[in-house]
Amino acid sequence: GAGVSQTPSNKVTEKGKYVELRCDPISGHTALYWYRQSLGQGPEFLIYFQGTGAADDSGLPNDRFFAVRPEGSVSTLKIQRTERGDSAVYLCASSLWVNTEAFFGQGTRLTVV
Amino acid sequence: QKEVEQDPGPLSVPEGAIVSLNCTYSNSAFQYFMWYRQYSRKGPELLMYTYSSGNKEDGRFTAQVDKSSKYISLFIRDSQPSDSATYLCAINPQEKLTFGTGTRLTIIP
Repeated sequence: GAGVSQTPSNKVTEKGKYVELRCDPISGHTALYWYRQSLGQGPEFLIYFQGTGAADDSGLPNDRFFAVRPEGSVSTLKIQRTERGDSAVYLCASSLWVNTEAFFGQGTRLTVV
Repeated sequence: QKEVEQDPGPLSVPEGAIVSLNCTYSNSAFQYFMWYRQYSRKGPELLMYTYSSGNKEDGRFTAQVDKSSKYISLFIRDSQPSDSATYLCAINPQEKLTFGTGTRLTIIP
C-alpha cells in the first residue's frame, strides 16, 4: 500500500476485555515499531521488530501487552485484561531498515470504558 | 531526568510571524535530532533531520542544534495557517525514537 495502515481507526472496549490492534507496514519495510501516545504527550516507544523477531520490547508496560509479526510484514499488538489507563492512541511505524526514516500510520484510538 | 524535554505550549502566533520551537536533551552523546509534525488525528511525519551540530534549512524551516548547550530548535519563517499542528522533537538512541511532549502551534490568519 501507499502508507502504513492501521485498523481499526477507533476501538471502544470494556475494562477487562482483550483487544487486538493491526498494523500493515509499507511493503518492503523490514523494521516495524509500535508507540503509544497519551493525550497531550509525545509518542512513547513500546516495541520494535526487525523482520519477524522482536528486537527490543523494553517499552511494553507489563505482561498484558504482547505483539507479533509472524511473517515479517503485518503486526498485531495484543492487550489482555484491558484497563482504563490503557486508553491512548496506538501508533505503528515502519522503516526500510533500522535507523532509516520511520513512516507512521494514523493510529488506533483505544478507549477502555 | 527525561532524555528530551519540550515546552508543551500551546503557542499562538499571527500569520507571517517567525516561530521558534525548542527542546533540550540530556545526553551529549546523542547525534541525530529530528522534528516531526503531527496534524490532529494523524500520525507524526518527519519534517527535518539533522546530524550532530549546526543548521539545516529546508524552505521556510530551519533546524538548529547547539551541542554545547544541548539545545535543539526549529524555526518557521513566514508562518502559514497550514503550519498549525503539534511539533515534536525526537532523538534516536538505540534504534528507537524518543519524543518530546510536543508543542501545539496555532497560526492565526
